[in-house]
Amino acid sequence: GAGVSQTPSNKVTEKGKYVELRCDPISGHTALYWYRQSLGQGPEFLIYFQGTGAADDSGLPNDRFFAVRPEGSVSTLKIQRTERGDSAVYLCASSPRPGGETQYFGPGTRLLVL
Amino acid sequence: AQSVAQPEDQVNVAEGNPLTVKCTYSVSGNPYLFWYVQYPNRGLQFLLKYITGDNLVKGSYGFEAVFNKSQTSFHLKKPSALVSDSALYFCAVSSTSGAGSYQLTFGKGTKLSVIP
Repeated sequence: GAGVSQTPSNKVTEKGKYVELRCDPISGHTALYWYRQSLGQGPEFLIYFQGTGAADDSGLPNDRFFAVRPEGSVSTLKIQRTERGDSAVYLCASSPRPGGETQYFGPGTRLLVL
Repeated sequence: AQSVAQPEDQVNVAEGNPLTVKCTYSVSGNPYLFWYVQYPNRGLQFLLKYITGDNLVKGSYGFEAVFNKSQTSFHLKKPSALVSDSALYFCAVSSTSGAGSYQLTFGKGTKLSVIP
């Protein structure tokens, strides 16, 4: 079956611009996670959705970052006033439910802020 | 807070030899432990997980891992390495405690190079 998909695969933007990154999880998966992976590091947690609600946003670095999942399926990560330090690969993962279930990752969106 | 340590940045092994990639963890509560593999410019691919039960976990592509509660370790192993196993390996942990998001905390990764 189809895995987690993310668009765009690459995004180049200028400092100060607004970007949106999209994640389409595996059908039927209620849990959705966003992570950020900087060069040479492991992924770091940003936010978790259970259904439509953001159940845990403790990993968002500041209020420039926001994410939504209005219908409990597709999610969009939004970054306002981008900074060069936001450059990273943004990974989305989904699982059937939380609680020890395997998280399946998408290919990621590589964001470069110039 | 939960954490994962992968003490080796790189592991080199000859093709056909056994391989071990090390991982130790720290969590409150019972751990859920995972291994993922990442090929260049690709997403993370699930290999195996420990939730409960047998301390020896078998996963994809002939990999296995050993859960050791007293040493808080979850080392990845394979009896005979292939050149195609060369990749970046990540250990990750979540736990039953906390806010209940079961977010994964990852190690920094270990680059495995299998030499022909």
